[in-house]
Amino acid sequence: KNEVEQSPQNLTAQEGEFITINCSYSVGISALHWLQQHPGGGIVSLFMLSSGKKKHGRLIATINIQEKHSSLHITASHPRDSAVYICAVTERNRDDKIIFGKGTRLHILP
Amino acid sequence: DAGVIQSPRHEVTEMGQEVTLRCKPISGHDYLFWYRQTMMRGLELLIYFNNNVPIDDSGMPEDRFSAKMPNASFSTLKIQPSEPRDSAVYFCASSPWGLREQFFGPGTRLTVL
Repeated sequence: KNEVEQSPQNLTAQEGEFITINCSYSVGISALHWLQQHPGGGIVSLFMLSSGKKKHGRLIATINIQEKHSSLHITASHPRDSAVYICAVTERNRDDKIIFGKGTRLHILP
Repeated sequence: DAGVIQSPRHEVTEMGQEVTLRCKPISGHDYLFWYRQTMMRGLELLIYFNNNVPIDDSGMPEDRFSAKMPNASFSTLKIQPSEPRDSAVYFCASSPWGLREQFFGPGTRLTVL
């Protein structure tokens, strides 16, 4: 079993829909990261969080430490949100170890 | 700032050849990371440096892989000899804060025939 699991693997939605991508992990963590990989391959860090919720524009990331689960939400989705969203965790007491999920491929239709 | 610069962007080589990938981090960033991305395994951290010193190379797959950072503005990842299973996209990233927030380069797509 992978230490970081994302769901769904693929998601297609209509423009304007509310999007939720899930990430579950099995190790103790010091932080969880959400990354966005554009169709051209470039990777951008979106969020780093260790508790609660963070918001940036139409993106919201939440984490529940007890349940070892995080969600990434996109409100009023737009075709330019189409990308692969990758969840990653930094293991607690192992700041040099980062584990990545396989990513969720999101496609927003106009 | 130009961001993290990687070269070449694409590399096609034959099995057995030496491959050198290059990275210029963002000025002032003390951390530099090398990653590999494949369809099967996703993103994997290969090695990272802090102030030009390798801190953790446990992700380096085998002795065929080596990485150096001779100064704060340049790093190389070398594969010798290359094998078809090394085909992947190799990303370099830099950060002023370690793993907390990283700035990724555009990647080098390596194909080993």
